[in-house]
Amino acid sequence: GESVGLHLPTLSVQEGDNSIINCAYSNSASDYFIWYKQESGKGPQFIIDIRSNMDKRQGQRVTVLLNKTVKHLSLQIAATQPGDSAVYFCAEIGGTSYGKLTFGQGTILTVHP
Amino acid sequence: NAGVMQNPRHLVRRRGQEARLRCSPMKGHSHVYWYRQLPEEGLKFMVYLQKENIIDESGMPKERFSAEFPKEGPSILRIQQVVRGDSAAYFCASSPSLPAGAYNEQFFGPGTRLTVL
Repeated sequence: GESVGLHLPTLSVQEGDNSIINCAYSNSASDYFIWYKQESGKGPQFIIDIRSNMDKRQGQRVTVLLNKTVKHLSLQIAATQPGDSAVYFCAEIGGTSYGKLTFGQGTILTVHP
Repeated sequence: NAGVMQNPRHLVRRRGQEARLRCSPMKGHSHVYWYRQLPEEGLKFMVYLQKENIIDESGMPKERFSAEFPKEGPSILRIQQVVRGDSAAYFCASSPSLPAGAYNEQFFGPGTRLTVL
């Protein structure tokens, strides 16, 4: 079946470095791709989304890149801070259903002071 | 504004008992979604509801699981005759009304952690 998956399950960085979290997807019919951050014991928190007709979108300290040719999505976090430590999930939505988010497995980001 | 509220936050049940999980959406939101998360895994979609209607239940197990979102009150996810494999975190999300062909951000609650002994 269609799925959204991640290349790297864990990522450790030093405070102040830039972080890049990657995601591969297989559903070419998806209309939106979303990044969520989940801290321990909490629900997912929306970070940023990108529509399928865009290549890049920037937020505060975060940038999402979409490469539809190779079905690849990435989240870049600038000047990573200890508070960024969490599990990051990519998700996709669209096609025939706008109510169903399909999540990837997740990447654990650890930021060392 | 209060966010999505879920209760209880932790629920312990013995095999064969029933579990009822409640979700109150954000004010003004009429769409509710339930997801299940097993340890060290991503969230898996279960069901999408509007008031008094089930829109998409493609992720619901065929037996023992049911969901409702009544005209008044919270959305309820009900698991009958729980088994150990039902142990997981169950998250509810809500969103405002969706225009046709559009996507609205889903806001997640803190989850209910179900443990089946």
